[in-house]
Amino acid sequence: GIQVEQSPPDLILQEGANSTLRCNFSDSVNNLQWFHQNPWGQLINLFYIPSGTKQNGRLSATTVATERYSLLYISSSQTTDSGVYFCAVEGAIQGAQKLVFGQGTRLTINP
Amino acid sequence: GAGVSQSPSNKVTEKGKDVELRCDPISGHTALYWYRQSLGQGLEFLIYFQGNSAPDKSGLPSDRFSAERTGGSVSTLTIQRTQQEDSAVYLCASRRGGSGNTIYFGEGSWLTVV
Repeated sequence: GIQVEQSPPDLILQEGANSTLRCNFSDSVNNLQWFHQNPWGQLINLFYIPSGTKQNGRLSATTVATERYSLLYISSSQTTDSGVYFCAVEGAIQGAQKLVFGQGTRLTINP
Repeated sequence: GAGVSQSPSNKVTEKGKDVELRCDPISGHTALYWYRQSLGQGLEFLIYFQGNSAPDKSGLPSDRFSAERTGGSVSTLTIQRTQQEDSAVYLCASRRGGSGNTIYFGEGSWLTVV
């Protein structure tokens, strides 16, 4: 099945810094989503982005489908950005129909 | 409802007991998923329902796990004869239609087997 790798596994930054999280995937995808898991375990949708670029406030994401990677950018980090960021993909193979998750990037923003 | 609703939010059970976890998807969403997340780990796919099609059960870890979806809406995940390694957060998700649409997650059911 499709493989998803996220890097780095851990990232520690000071408040105000910028960060880039990467997601590599092994095959063509119909769906790619970025999630933020908060300290209470809730998965919050950030972006639905199987291709192209999107921005939402301080966050933006770019997926280059032909090169099989996606990047999540966080600018001017705040302590509330801390948590685990997951990339999840749905392969384009007929019948795949399920999101496969990477292992996540644990982001810690220190005040 | 406004979002995916799961119950109970927390469950502590004794080893060997059966548990049922409930998921109420977003109204109008035909696809429903169950995932499991052990402490500090990523999300593990368990089972997928899409409309009236046969469910994809390929992620269920053992025959102690089963799930059903009644009337194309509410789903129940049942774990029989629970073991300590079943302790995890069980997350339900739903989406409208098939591939290519956004998937939305509930807040999860935290299961602790003692």
